[in-house]
Amino acid sequence: DAGITQSPRYKITETGRQVTLMCHQTWSHSYMFWYRQDLGHGLRLIYYSAAADITDKGEVPDGYVVSRSKTENFPLTLESATRSQTSVYFCASSEGGHTTGQPQHFGDGTRLSIL
Amino acid sequence: GENVEQHPSTLSVQEGDSAVIKCTYSDSASNYFPWYKQELGKRPQLIIDIRSNVGEKKDQRIAVTLNKTAKHFSLHITETQPEDSAVYFCAATDNNAGNMLTFGGGTRLMVKP
Repeated sequence: DAGITQSPRYKITETGRQVTLMCHQTWSHSYMFWYRQDLGHGLRLIYYSAAADITDKGEVPDGYVVSRSKTENFPLTLESATRSQTSVYFCASSEGGHTTGQPQHFGDGTRLSIL
Repeated sequence: GENVEQHPSTLSVQEGDSAVIKCTYSDSASNYFPWYKQELGKRPQLIIDIRSNVGEKKDQRIAVTLNKTAKHFSLHITETQPEDSAVYFCAATDNNAGNMLTFGGGTRLMVKP
C-alpha cells in the first residue's frame, strides 16, 4: 500500500550511534505501530500511538524512543544502538474510532544492521 | 493481554492440495482476527479477516473459520499454487489496548510444484 512509507529501506550503523527510522502515512489513520521482526520471533510490538501526542509501550520497548507530533509521522529512534537491535523494522497504521479491531497496513520495512 | 499461538510453524504441501493453519487465542473478548501473508523480503499483507459475529468467511481459494467457544480460528487454502508459498501470520485484537493486534509466531508454507 503506497499510503505508508518507511525510510531508509536499509541502514548500517555502529554500536553506540543514534539512528532514527522514519514512517509516514497519508491515510490520516489514528493508530500507528512499530514492530521488529527477527527470525524465530515473528512480529513484536515496540511502541504504538493512538493519536498525535499519545504513545504507549508495546512488548519490547527498551532502547527505543518514539514521538508523534503529527498524525502522519511516527519516527522511531534508537538512542544508542546495540547489536541486539539488528532487525527488520516495520511500521503500520490503522483506523481509529471503531469499537472493534481494524486491519493494520504495513510499510515496506527498514533493514537495520548494527556492527 | 492477549496470547496467540499458531500451528504448525512449517507446512509443506504438494501443488493442488489444501493447506490449513490453526491459531488459538486467550482473550474471549477479542473481536477481530486478520490473516497476513508475507513473501520473502516483503511487507506483511492482509489477505483475509473475520469478525467475532461471523463463523466463516471465504474469498476465492482462501477461507477463515472462527470457533469462539473453543477460541480458535483457522486459515484454509484450497488448490494451492507455488505462489502461495510464504509465511502466514494470524492475529487477534487485544481488547485491553485499543486497536493493538497480537500476532501468532507465523507458519512457513511451502508449496511444491
